[in-house]
Amino acid sequence: DGGITQSPKYLFRKEGQNVTLSCEQNLNHDAMYWYRQDPGQGLRLIYYSQIVNDFQKGDIAEGYSVSREKKESFPLTVTSAQKNPTAFYLCASGGVVTAGANVLTFGAGSRLTVL
Amino acid sequence: AQSVTQLDSQVPVFEEAPVELRCNYSSSVSVYLFWYVQYPNQGLQLLLKYLSGSTLVKGINGFEAEFNKSQTSFHLRKPSVHISDTAEYFCAVYIKAAGNKLTFGGGTRVLVKP
Repeated sequence: DGGITQSPKYLFRKEGQNVTLSCEQNLNHDAMYWYRQDPGQGLRLIYYSQIVNDFQKGDIAEGYSVSREKKESFPLTVTSAQKNPTAFYLCASGGVVTAGANVLTFGAGSRLTVL
Repeated sequence: AQSVTQLDSQVPVFEEAPVELRCNYSSSVSVYLFWYVQYPNQGLQLLLKYLSGSTLVKGINGFEAEFNKSQTSFHLRKPSVHISDTAEYFCAVYIKAAGNKLTFGGGTRVLVKP
């Protein structure tokens, strides 16, 4: 079955450490996205990529980095510069539909806790 | 910049009662609108979408939403809820001219009581 796989599901990190969250999709979608979810704040866009080897900053990119070397993969690195990294991270990919809008398919998420 | 406002952060409702979740957006150009549902510790699942055509959109699990351009709203409704509808619901707006990305509202948590 096609879908998006995020790993790990749960991750603990000490302050000052970088951590990389994995996102893999087999939907053949060109566009991929990373969102951060905090209670009561909805989803906020961190980075997105519309094509391989290209990506753009979202609304809250500071302290994060991404790469898009393959169509299927869009890993997110949470760096030590991110001041409040504890959150639920959601990866999504977008397939174009008839009206030209991307309908997003989401992974199950990764919960990062900084100790 | 576009924004999405979900007017209720929490909505308690009794089983088999109707529910309406309100969503308003701000944009002066054409938009596409979505509702997603999130069950605890899971990703988001698409409930329904409005791209064009009829302003009344039917989705999965008995949900429907109505696009009102003059009021810039896209409220979600279900005539009779089940316990299994307990979840968080997100409204989202897509504006192609704004960089091919979705903007989400803050979410509405629905708690269905027996």
